[in-house]
Amino acid sequence: KAGVTQTPRYLIKTRGQQVTLSCSPISGHRSVSWYQQTPGQGLQFLFEYFSETQRNKGNFPGRFSGRQFSNSRSEMNVSTLELGDSALYLCASSLFGSGNTIYFGEGSWLTVV
Amino acid sequence: DQQVKQNSPSLSVQEGRISILNCDYTNSMFDYFLWYKKYPAEGPTFLISISSIKDKNEDGRFTVFLNKSAKHLSLHIVPSQPGDSAVYFCAASADTGNQFYFGTGTSLTVIP
Repeated sequence: KAGVTQTPRYLIKTRGQQVTLSCSPISGHRSVSWYQQTPGQGLQFLFEYFSETQRNKGNFPGRFSGRQFSNSRSEMNVSTLELGDSALYLCASSLFGSGNTIYFGEGSWLTVV
Repeated sequence: DQQVKQNSPSLSVQEGRISILNCDYTNSMFDYFLWYKKYPAEGPTFLISISSIKDKNEDGRFTVFLNKSAKHLSLHIVPSQPGDSAVYFCAASADTGNQFYFGTGTSLTVIP
């Protein structure tokens, strides 16, 4: 069974640009959540989608947005990139809505220059 | 406000001995806890979980203990192996979906 797949794995963007990251969850998983990992802040929750609806949102500015499609695939978008957005962005999927283990993908490394 | 804390940034253990990684939390609503192992440039790999209705869960060499009154959990690895060298994260969630709060990680080095 394939794991969580994230694309692209690595990307470099310029300040002010926008970026879209993609995540395909484990087959059958309906919940997708996104996390940002930086050296100073550890893993921070961005948002979670379940059945195409955003259920939870972390403490990030509105420049960070996401969506989930009917096949459970998800995308996250960061607009007007800042240098501080450089991080590893991790997607995780889970079978059900709560109280479940979340399984991570390999992550997308974003560097903003 | 860090709701999940791992106060030891690093830990070194001899091969074959026990590794004990600790995690403290502040939110009494947390009822589901996970441990992950992470190598550089890879996503976290799930190790073991525990819900608040239990105080212990075992899976092979890994055992997680939960002390709800102390808001403390620990991961025991016995025996430790060099391949266990990685960063370990604990995570916690309340019954509000799959939003998890992570600790900042403990870097474990198992010395051959």
